[in-house]
Amino acid sequence: GDSVTQTEGLVTLTKGLPVMLNCTYQTTYSPFLFWYVQHLNEAPKLLLKSSTDNKRTEHQGFYATLHKSSSSFHLQKSSVQLSDSALYFCASPTSAGNKLTFGIGTRVLVRP
Amino acid sequence: EAAVTQSPRSKVAVTGGKVTLSCHQTNNHDYMYWYRQDTGHGLRLIHYSYVADSTEKGDIPDGYKASRPSQENFSLILELASLSQTAVYFCASSSGQNTEVFFGKGTRLTVV
Repeated sequence: GDSVTQTEGLVTLTKGLPVMLNCTYQTTYSPFLFWYVQHLNEAPKLLLKSSTDNKRTEHQGFYATLHKSSSSFHLQKSSVQLSDSALYFCASPTSAGNKLTFGIGTRVLVRP
Repeated sequence: EAAVTQSPRSKVAVTGGKVTLSCHQTNNHDYMYWYRQDTGHGLRLIHYSYVADSTEKGDIPDGYKASRPSQENFSLILELASLSQTAVYFCASSSGQNTEVFFGKGTRLTVV
């Protein structure tokens, strides 16, 4: 069935360092991938999305490239800030396209 | 800006009691969703709807009912609340397949 896998539960790093959060997916649908970010006690919000193979998409300093050959959509940032501390979800529509399947989320904690 | 409003924002319920969580959207979106968030499980879909007076089961519908009396309103009903239903519940809306999902601020439900 359709699924989204995030392998890191918690990522702790120091301000200014780069980060990469892994996301792989399994779907029989033409993939459309999303990253959502949820700050503490807030609602999840869209960070970026893509359906184009091998094209980098960017927003707010974060970027990701959809690779259909490896079924991946990893999220990266070159230099994290304290404000990047949050929960990050990767998501993809199901094969029916009418609902999103979310990964379990990766919590990012940025230390000074 | 897109708006999804949930009420109440927090609730304490007694085991075996009935709980109704309400959601109202002003986005003119056809799709509405109820997700549950638990640590280690991410966001899991309970019920969703793509038209008024019709609801669909999501991935974890057991113990929950949903009602969509109008395009703007979508309720989640726990007829017999149980301890295992303690969680944060998010309502969301979207305009259609493969589009951004807008979330409400969540309802923290504690069943005692």
